[in-house]
Amino acid sequence: AQSVTQLGSHVSVSEGALVLLRCNYSSSVPPYLFWYVQYPNQGLQLLLKYTSAATLVKGINGFEAEFKKSETSFHLTKPSAHMSDAAEYFCAVSDLDQGGSEKLVFGKGTKLTVNP
Amino acid sequence: GAVVSQHPSWVICKSGTSVKIECRSLDFQATTMFWYRQFPKQSLMLMATSNEGSKATYEQGVEKDKFLINHASLTLSTLTVTSAHPEDSSFYICSARRGGGRYEQYFGPGTRLTVT
Repeated sequence: AQSVTQLGSHVSVSEGALVLLRCNYSSSVPPYLFWYVQYPNQGLQLLLKYTSAATLVKGINGFEAEFKKSETSFHLTKPSAHMSDAAEYFCAVSDLDQGGSEKLVFGKGTKLTVNP
Repeated sequence: GAVVSQHPSWVICKSGTSVKIECRSLDFQATTMFWYRQFPKQSLMLMATSNEGSKATYEQGVEKDKFLINHASLTLSTLTVTSAHPEDSSFYICSARRGGGRYEQYFGPGTRLTVT
């Protein structure tokens, strides 16, 4: 089964600083990988996804992530943090259950705080 | 496009009663819908996968008789928490996947359930 590890449950940056949220996965097959953002008391919004095309994936709101097979990583970055980026971020990998049905496996999440 | 709604957004019920949560895909047909549960400051845990017109597939450890899932149409799935108890209090999130889409899940805004 696939699994996802997000290093750092809390990350704090200053406004304008680089954002780096770490995600490592375990997978026996080429994975599909996702980053989602969740604002308080809301559902999840897809930031970006990797589906075996370009290894550098650009998403919404200036975020991007790079798939590195050798490091089994899919870290999320943004060059300059904005106050509105403060939220919970989840990395997820697509997995297949025993019946061949696809499902998402989520990491535990990283809460991003942006300081003025 | 690809909007998923949930109703209600929050609900308070007394212990021992049942509560129904609706998940609707507003502008697309969803052959598969997923129900997740999220405890405070934790990740999403998949509860069950439902395919239109068939019985839901529950994840290990999820009580089928307690969490009744119905996916009667291509735009509606319902989750009924039967005989609710305070430990069922949680944030319930649904997602929907278009027919033929392997990996794109669109998430609803979530429903906050509080059992008193």
